[in-house]
Amino acid sequence: ETGVTQSPTHLIKTRGQQVTLRCSSQSGHNTVSWYQQALGQGPQFIFQYYREEENGRGNFPPRFSGLQFPNYSSELNVNALELDDSALYLCASSRPGLGNTGELFFGEGSRLTVL
Amino acid sequence: AQKITQTQPGMFVQEKEAVTLDCTYDTSDQSYGLFWYKQPSSGEMIFLIYQGSYDEQNATEGRYSLNFQKARKSANLVISASQLGDSAMYFCAIAPYGNNRLAFGKGNQVVVIP
Repeated sequence: ETGVTQSPTHLIKTRGQQVTLRCSSQSGHNTVSWYQQALGQGPQFIFQYYREEENGRGNFPPRFSGLQFPNYSSELNVNALELDDSALYLCASSRPGLGNTGELFFGEGSRLTVL
Repeated sequence: AQKITQTQPGMFVQEKEAVTLDCTYDTSDQSYGLFWYKQPSSGEMIFLIYQGSYDEQNATEGRYSLNFQKARKSANLVISASQLGDSAMYFCAIAPYGNNRLAFGKGNQVVVIP
């Protein structure tokens, strides 16, 4: 176990709706990243938060937004859901002062289905 | 920009045998890191091994080793003495040195058979 928890684990929405996914990072980790993993694909970087500020964003439209709270937990919000948003959404946390060591600790993901 | 290519079809491996998973990459960064992650059916991504682009020695972590050939831009993962619990998807990833925003490949499916 990585200590990163995500909720909900599964959810179903319809096109046009909005969704909020939550992530509780491992204790002491101040950086949280979100990834989208479509079926049969590798994860794609959405954005990263460091000390409550967005710190890098991948190629995702503005309807994907996020928040990081003082306790370093995080939310991913997706507005105006589209069918292609159906995917596994993974949250990963990492330790402060971390360089390029690969020590991303992932949760088990939230599986979103858009009908 | 970074790109990872993993093109092997799904693989069946006999328990206790070794398996090599291919990964080639492309990047415009001078310094970068290469990673391998394992994803079992539960969905969680599990970090296996890391190789920095300036590391002269190939990385090893227990039964995992990375065959890094910088000139060929390849970073193959070798799993020795396969176990049934090694059955999973395996992803190669790259990130510029100094951040951990990973670019993943499409993955390799490995099934270990008794």
